[in-house]
Amino acid sequence: NAGVTQTPKFRILKIGQSMTLQCTQDMNHNYMYWYRQDPGMGLKLIYYSVGAGITDKGEVPNGYNVSRSTTEDFPLRLELAAPSQTSVYFCASSPGQRTGELFFGEGSRLTVL
Amino acid sequence: DAKTTQPTSMDCAEGRAANLPCNHSTISGNEYVYWYRQIHSQGPQYIIHGLKNNETNEMASLIITEDRKSSTLILPHATLRDTAVYYCIVRVRERAQKLVFGQGTRLTINP
Repeated sequence: NAGVTQTPKFRILKIGQSMTLQCTQDMNHNYMYWYRQDPGMGLKLIYYSVGAGITDKGEVPNGYNVSRSTTEDFPLRLELAAPSQTSVYFCASSPGQRTGELFFGEGSRLTVL
Repeated sequence: DAKTTQPTSMDCAEGRAANLPCNHSTISGNEYVYWYRQIHSQGPQYIIHGLKNNETNEMASLIITEDRKSSTLILPHATLRDTAVYYCIVRVRERAQKLVFGQGTRLTINP
């Protein structure tokens, strides 16, 4: 099992550009999440999904969009990138609501200039 | 959700037990204590969780006080690879999908 795979690992964007961070998992987990981590800080939840076709906002959803058309994939879309979105983005999955055990990807480091 | 308080940083000698404290004095009866760690800039890794009984797995032990207002994560024989930021999170199990990560404790294992 590859676990949770994120692409790209690094990306530099110009202000106003758009891009999609890809996340896929091969563990057949229903729950998937996107977090961001700013330097020296903890993780903040952007969006999460409890299953295909269902998404919900986390703490910091502004400036982002997500979709969940399959169990495996949970892409994060950035529209009109801003310097405040410079961060490391982590995708995670978990097998169910009650477990509390999340499996994280290796992260995608995004810089907006 | 209950607030947690952890020391900003700790040091421990290699081979010794590392004891990481977490204060959660406002924890309610149905809230679990979760521990994660983040090595360098990798994604966080789940370690262990518990409600009121002490728990042990292959990575660590979790000791929760009888009043549940604090807990300690124990790494029994710390190695250099245990150097990481350790996060203590308190959450109702039904909302475990929205874990909130604070700033954690930066644990440094010294040779």
